[in-house]
Formats: sequence, C-alpha cells, structure tokens
Amino acid sequence: GAGVSQSPRYKVAKRGQDVALRCDPISGHVSLFWYQQALGQGPEFLTYFQNEAQLDKSGLPSDRFFAERPEGSVSTLKIQRTQQEDSAVYLCASSLLWGTVNEQYFGPGTRLTVT
Amino acid sequence: AQSVTQLGSHVSVSEGALVLLRCNYSSSVPPYLFWYVQYPNQGLQLLLKYTTGATLVKGINGFEAEFKKSETSFHLTKPSAHMSDAAEYFCAVSDSGANSKLTFGKGITLSVRP
Repeated sequence: GAGVSQSPRYKVAKRGQDVALRCDPISGHVSLFWYQQALGQGPEFLTYFQNEAQLDKSGLPSDRFFAERPEGSVSTLKIQRTQQEDSAVYLCASSLLWGTVNEQYFGPGTRLTVT
Repeated sequence: AQSVTQLGSHVSVSEGALVLLRCNYSSSVPPYLFWYVQYPNQGLQLLLKYTTGATLVKGINGFEAEFKKSETSFHLTKPSAHMSDAAEYFCAVSDSGANSKLTFGKGITLSVRP
C-alpha cells in the first residue's frame, strides 16, 4: 500500500509569499503530525491532529503558521508571509491510532527554501 | 519537558565493525524511546522502540538498543556494519500520554568505510 505522500517535494518562495504544503496520510490513519526539520537538526514538532480535530498546536512558531485537516484525511500546512527562517524540510507523519505505542509513518518531506 | 542528547554529529566505522550510536534522554515521566533512520531524500523510518517490558529491544536490519534507566541512556548498536547502513540516525523520546509527539535529538550521520 501507499505510504505517506507530501507535495510539493521542493518549494522555492520569495520572502513575503504565502505557501501551502500538502500531506496525504496513509488511508485510515487517525493521527497526523507535522514536524519542521532545519538543516543539520532533528525534526521539531509543530502540530497534531486526531481525525479533523487539531489537539495540539503548541509547536507552531508564529501565527503565520496554520494547519488544517478538514475531513480527517488530507492535511495542509500553510505559511503566510514567509521569512528566511522558515526555510526547512517540513515532515508529515501519520499513525493508525492515537497514543505513543502506535508507530508514526513519515513522508519524504517538503523542502522549503525562502529567498 | 523532554529532551534528547546525541553527542557528536558524525561517526565513521569500517565495514564489519561494531556500530555504537549514543543517546541520552531527559524525561520527568517514564519515557518511550525510539530510533529512526533517514536515508537521503527519504522520510524517517522506525528502527526500533522501547515502551515497556524488556529493556533490550531488537529492531530491523540487525540493530538493537538497551534502555538503561539509571544512566538515562538508549544507545543503538549493531555488531557488524554494512555499507547500506550509511545514513542519518535520530533518537527520539515521547511520554506515554495520548498525545504522542516525538522529541528528537540532532541526529548522527553514520559513514561506513569499505
């Protein structure tokens, strides 16, 4: 079966532009996570959905970052008025159920470069 | 708050040699611990995890790790390195709650010399 897919794989944006990053989780997976991975660093948690409910958005770095999962499947991470410090790889992960014992399956990421 | 420390950013071993990648964690609650591997331009893949029970856990590709509470460590080992093991390795910690977000270390790049 298909894994987690993300699009686009690469995105170049000029500073100040808005971007939208898409995540298609594994079909039937309840939980969905977004992480940000800066160059040379480990991934850092951004936000978490259980079905369509956003249960934790404590990792979103500013109010320019917004995520949604309106029908409990596909999710979109939107960044408004991009800044250079937003340049990173954005990873999406899904898991079948909630709770840590359930493995998170990661997508390949979207590499965002803000110029 | 939880945190993970992976000392050093790069480890180089010869093919056939022991692989040892170190991970120390900090957690105020009993932790769940994970090792992930990341190949270039690919997503992270789970190697192994510790939740409860046996402290020595075995994972894919011949890797294993031992949870040592007294040392707050979860080091990853493999008896004999293969060229295909060259990748970046991340240790991660989570609590046992319903919100299972992961806190990752900085990662270690493993190189394998022929």
